[in-house]
Amino acid sequence: AQTVTQSQPEMSVQEAETVTLSCTYDTSESDYYLFWYKQPPSRQMILVIRQEAYKQQNATENRFSVNFQKAAKSFSLKISDSQLGDAAMYFCAYRSPGGGADGLTFGKGTHLIIQP
Amino acid sequence: NAGVMQNPRHLVRRRGQEARLRCSPMKGHSHVYWYRQLPEEGLKFMVYLQKENIIDESGMPKERFSAEFPKEGPSILRIQQVVRGDSAAYFCASSPPSRSSYGYTFGSGTRLTVV
Repeated sequence: AQTVTQSQPEMSVQEAETVTLSCTYDTSESDYYLFWYKQPPSRQMILVIRQEAYKQQNATENRFSVNFQKAAKSFSLKISDSQLGDAAMYFCAYRSPGGGADGLTFGKGTHLIIQP
Repeated sequence: NAGVMQNPRHLVRRRGQEARLRCSPMKGHSHVYWYRQLPEEGLKFMVYLQKENIIDESGMPKERFSAEFPKEGPSILRIQQVVRGDSAAYFCASSPPSRSSYGYTFGSGTRLTVV
């Protein structure tokens, strides 16, 4: 079974600075998908960014980018120019490419605090 | 295009009662997933359904929990004889029929409190 580990329960960053959230995973599959979700106090789960494992290029969405290291099974999220609205729980998630099981496996999350 | 709609947003039940959680997927989505989030935890997969079919229920407790996604109407997660340990946020997500690399669209969740 796949596992996803987020080793930072909480991170704090000054507004406008850059912060990196860590995520590692364990899998025997060669093809899969990785995601970062944001969960603000409203509880809504919002997709931030996704990465297909067969793509070597790191995904980027505006101020959000990932550092995908397939051999190391690492998938970190970098947030540039942090804004107050970025404060939330961030969850890393893994999804298998096929087969009957189609669910996401989530890490325990990192609570991101933005200091004004 | 409305997103994934879950209701109720909050639900309080006494021990031994039944809880019914509803999820209407996004328009055009025929796959529904239920997840449970305990305090200080990430979401845990429970069950994956398509219309009138349970595809994967490997994450669902064997007793007291059931899920359905009828041909018409919302998907229902049903918890019978609730206990304090069932208190959690329950999230529904949906995706379109084609297998996609995109993450699912989540609802805002139902927070169940068992007193």
